[in-house]
Amino acid sequence: GQQVMQIPQYQHVQEGEDFTTYCNSSTTLSNIQWYKQRPGGHPVFLIQLVKSGEVKKQKRLTFQFGEAKKNSSLHITATQTTDVGTYFCAGPMDSNYQLIWGAGTKLIIKP
Amino acid sequence: DAGITQSPRYKITETGRQVTLMCHQTWSHSYMFWYRQDLGHGLRLIYYSAAADITDKGEVPDGYVVSRSKTENFPLTLESATRSQTSVYFCASSAGFSYNEQFFGPGTRLTVL
Repeated sequence: GQQVMQIPQYQHVQEGEDFTTYCNSSTTLSNIQWYKQRPGGHPVFLIQLVKSGEVKKQKRLTFQFGEAKKNSSLHITATQTTDVGTYFCAGPMDSNYQLIWGAGTKLIIKP
Repeated sequence: DAGITQSPRYKITETGRQVTLMCHQTWSHSYMFWYRQDLGHGLRLIYYSAAADITDKGEVPDGYVVSRSKTENFPLTLESATRSQTSVYFCASSAGFSYNEQFFGPGTRLTVL
């Protein structure tokens, strides 16, 4: 069936280092959404990408949608403690427009 | 602006008992969703609703029942709770379907003993 794979599962970084999470779909997506979930919290929408090759920036966060619309990435420059949490990608299913979620990448700042 | 609320926030129950989790949104969003979140599985869709009186199964519907008599409410019932249903449950709403962001409630942490 249709799947959205997200890697890595965890990433440990020193504060100030960069962080990247990758999302790969088994099928072409009409759009992809990114969410952030802080520890103990609920997912919060960050952004939606729709166009092939689209790049969007939110301060230190850069989101990309692949040319084939099957993959996406989120890059955080110079991580801060406020970036801690789990980042999820989600894309709509072909058959009924439900969102399929990646398993998430947990960003951990090393003490 | 209350947004989307869930109750209870925490619940402990026993195997075999019926449990209802409540979800209420104040935005008049058409679409509502129930997810469960377990370690290593991300978010899995249980049921969703496109409007009042319209519901459909998601990825993991077995053992759950939903109803939506009013646009703003979308309760989730576990008819006979099992230990495998121990999880964090999130309700979400959206103005549209796949092109609209989903707004999540704070979640209900359910433990089935």
